[in-house]
Amino acid sequence: GAVVSQHPSWVICKSGTSVKIECRSLDFQATTMFWYRQFPKKSLMLMATSNEGSKATYEQGVEKDKFLINHASLTLSTLTVTSAHPEDSSFYICSALEGRDYNEQFFGPGTRLTVL
Amino acid sequence: GQSLEQPSEVTAVEGAIVQINCTYQTSGFYGLSWYQQHDGGAPTFLSYNALDGLEETGRFSSFLSRSDSYGYLLLQELQMKDSASYFCAVRDLLTTDSWGKLQFGAGTQVVVTP
Repeated sequence: GAVVSQHPSWVICKSGTSVKIECRSLDFQATTMFWYRQFPKKSLMLMATSNEGSKATYEQGVEKDKFLINHASLTLSTLTVTSAHPEDSSFYICSALEGRDYNEQFFGPGTRLTVL
Repeated sequence: GQSLEQPSEVTAVEGAIVQINCTYQTSGFYGLSWYQQHDGGAPTFLSYNALDGLEETGRFSSFLSRSDSYGYLLLQELQMKDSASYFCAVRDLLTTDSWGKLQFGAGTQVVVTP
């Protein structure tokens, strides 16, 4: 099946710094990628949708200036958490759609972000 | 808005059958999916129903009734490795502004005991 990777798998940073998380589709081209945030024992909350070559669409309540998303190619999307604060600590997961097959999304393994 | 309701936790013994119900209220509907997630891991796709009826994939089956806005995931011959969280998710209708976003339920923690 399709494989999606994320890097890094975990990161610890100081408050006020920026952190970049990469999401790659390894064996397919992903026209659309999604970024989710998940708190412990909670559901996945969609943050934004990105299409290759266009601006991301953010869900209501998600600060686009804080969570910068770039979908530079058909195999790479990045999420940058700018000026991170402890409340940004969470599990960030990306997923990707392969072409027009909307029946399932392929999820990355997630990135655990801890802001001190 | 949209909402999906599923039980928070289910406990069962190995070999048993578990049914996880999901009811949804959505402005658009393009199918009900189920995902499994082990602690600290990525969600993995289990099944997808766009039409009414039962879909069977090995020990797991999923059912949908669009008229009742209801579906369920059936786990048969439970194994210890099935202990995980299970999420139902509804896909938005595809429009020029939507690429079929998934809205997830809160998840059901399935605990399998010996």
